[in-house]
This record gives sequence, C-alpha cells and structure tokens, in this order.
Amino acid sequence: GAVVSQHPSRVICKSGTSVKIECRSLDFQATTMFWYRQFPKQSLMLMATSNEGSKATYEQGVEKDKFLINHASLTLSTLTVTSAHPEDSSFYICSAVQGSYNSPLHFGNGTRLTVT
Amino acid sequence: AQTVTQSQPEMSVQEAETVTLSCTYDTSESDYYLFWYKQPPSRQMILVIRQEAYKQQNATENRFSVNFQKAAKSFSLKISDSQLGDAAMYFCAYRGFYGGATNKLIFGTGTLLAVQP
Repeated sequence: GAVVSQHPSRVICKSGTSVKIECRSLDFQATTMFWYRQFPKQSLMLMATSNEGSKATYEQGVEKDKFLINHASLTLSTLTVTSAHPEDSSFYICSAVQGSYNSPLHFGNGTRLTVT
Repeated sequence: AQTVTQSQPEMSVQEAETVTLSCTYDTSESDYYLFWYKQPPSRQMILVIRQEAYKQQNATENRFSVNFQKAAKSFSLKISDSQLGDAAMYFCAYRGFYGGATNKLIFGTGTLLAVQP
C-alpha cells in the first residue's frame, strides 16, 4: 500500500530556532499534501494545503510566515516552523493524495514538536 | 463551509458488546465522501470505513458499519463485538467530491472510546 514517511518523529528545539519537518510519499506521486496540527486530546486542524510547484494555501488564522511550506517535488513537502515558541509545541501530521479526486489520502506517522 | 460535529467526547463499551458513535455534518454539496478514522495512542491515523454520499447502501467493513442518513446529514459508526484493540480516538471526517482544495479532510472533534474487559 501507499506509504507516507514523516521525519522526524520527535524533535525538541529551543525557543527562537527553526525546525523543519519532512513529509515524503515513498511509492506514489503526491499531487497534493496537507499539513495538520493536533493538540493533546483534540482534533486535527488543517493548517495548509500544498500542491507541487505552487504556493501553499493556508487556512484562516495560520501564519504563513511562521509555518513555511514547500512542495518542491511530487514526493516531498516540508513544513518549517520558524522562530519557534513554546506555544508551537504540538503534534504535526501530514497527509498526501495522488491524482484524482477520489484517490485515498495517506497519512504520515506525525511529528511531535516540543519547544523549550 | 463544511462542518463536522461529534457530540460524544467519550464513550465506553464492554468487550464483545456493540457501541455506536455519532456524527453529524453540514454541507451544501450533494456529492462528497464521509470517513471514520481511528487514532490509537500511537497517533497513527487509520482509516476505518468510507462512505460515498451518492451510494444509498451503508458501508460495512467486518465488525464496523455505518448508518448514513443523507437527508439528516448523519453518519454514525457501529462497532460490533468490541475488542480491546478498538480502544482509541475516533474521528468522523468529511471530504469534498471533486479535486483540488476539496480534497482536504475536515475532521470532527473526536470521540474517545474505552473498551472495558
């Protein structure tokens, strides 16, 4: 089956630094990737939608200058949390879809970010 | 905008019994997909079942079945013969029928299911 690899699974960084999270589709080409954020015991909130070769579309309330998304190839999207603060500590999950509208979405295993 | 509502933050069921998780949604579209996802403590998102809105027949996957009421915009999940491994957070989700931005999944707030031995 289709596999989405997300790396790293856990990361701890200091306030003010930046951290990059990678989302790779291992055995399919992902035309669209989605980035979600999940706080403990809460739902997944969509942050942005990224399409290969174009600018990401951010959901209302998400700071695009803080959460930089790059989808440079059909198999890789990255989320960079810039100038991280403790309130950015969360669980970040990517999902990827290949091609047509009725293609299934595949999820990565998520990244737990802790900002100290 | 589409919304998904799960009114049961927590549910509990005895092992081998049946439990139903509720979900309602709001949309102005006539074609769409509905899903139930399971998120165990590992936080991996696992697809449990999927329903196409244009299909009248309720989807089933082994012990999991749905009751899809399109007019009422209701999409409940029934778990039969509950097992300890079913304990997890369950999310109801909506997805538009067409491509592009409508591919995104909109999640409900989740129901935490406990299974008692």
